Amino acid sequence: DAGVTQSPTHLIKTRGQHVTLRCSPISGHKSVSWYQQVLGQGPQFIFQYYEKEERGRGNFPDRFSARQFPNYSSELNVNALLLGDSALYLCASSLIAGAYNEQFFGPGTRLTVL
Amino acid sequence: QKEVEQNSGPLSVPEGAIASLNCTYSDRVSQSFFWYRQYSGKSPELIMSIYSNGDKEDGRFTAQLNKASQYVSLLIRDSQPSDSATYLCAVNRSNYQLIWGAGTKLIIKP
Repeated sequence: DAGVTQSPTHLIKTRGQHVTLRCSPISGHKSVSWYQQVLGQGPQFIFQYYEKEERGRGNFPDRFSARQFPNYSSELNVNALLLGDSALYLCASSLIAGAYNEQFFGPGTRLTVL
Repeated sequence: QKEVEQNSGPLSVPEGAIASLNCTYSDRVSQSFFWYRQYSGKSPELIMSIYSNGDKEDGRFTAQLNKASQYVSLLIRDSQPSDSATYLCAVNRSNYQLIWGAGTKLIIKP
């Protein structure tokens, strides 16, 4: 069975640009969570989506937005990129929403902002 | 005080020995606890979840939870060089949010 997939693998952008990251969850999983991980730190929670609705939001600015599609795939959008947005962006899928459920991560998208 | 604290390490353990990784958390109402393994340059990989006080075993791994002491640990028996990685502890803050420690770097010496 395919695991969580993310695209692209790597991305280089310049300050002020916009970026869209994509994620497809494990088949049968209906919830997707997005995390940002900076080198040397644990993942920071950005969003959780379930059944196309936002169920949780972390402490990130409004430049960060996301959506989930009817097939449960998801996009994370970041506007007006800053140098500090450079990080590994991780998507995790789980059967249903909630922080009580096991989450399985995709390979991540490494974003570099120059 | 950080919400989830882990010793950054590195923790060096001889091959074949038991590696003990520790995590403390600050929110007394937390109900779900997870251990993940992350190899350098890769994404986190789920090792185990634990929700009740006591021990939970899965192969060479044992998770231990003590809610009264707000402490969760992971034991790795018969440590192998392939166990060398950063181990992340995650705890739920709310219904939807996981809070993560910064991880402990484990080195298994052959």
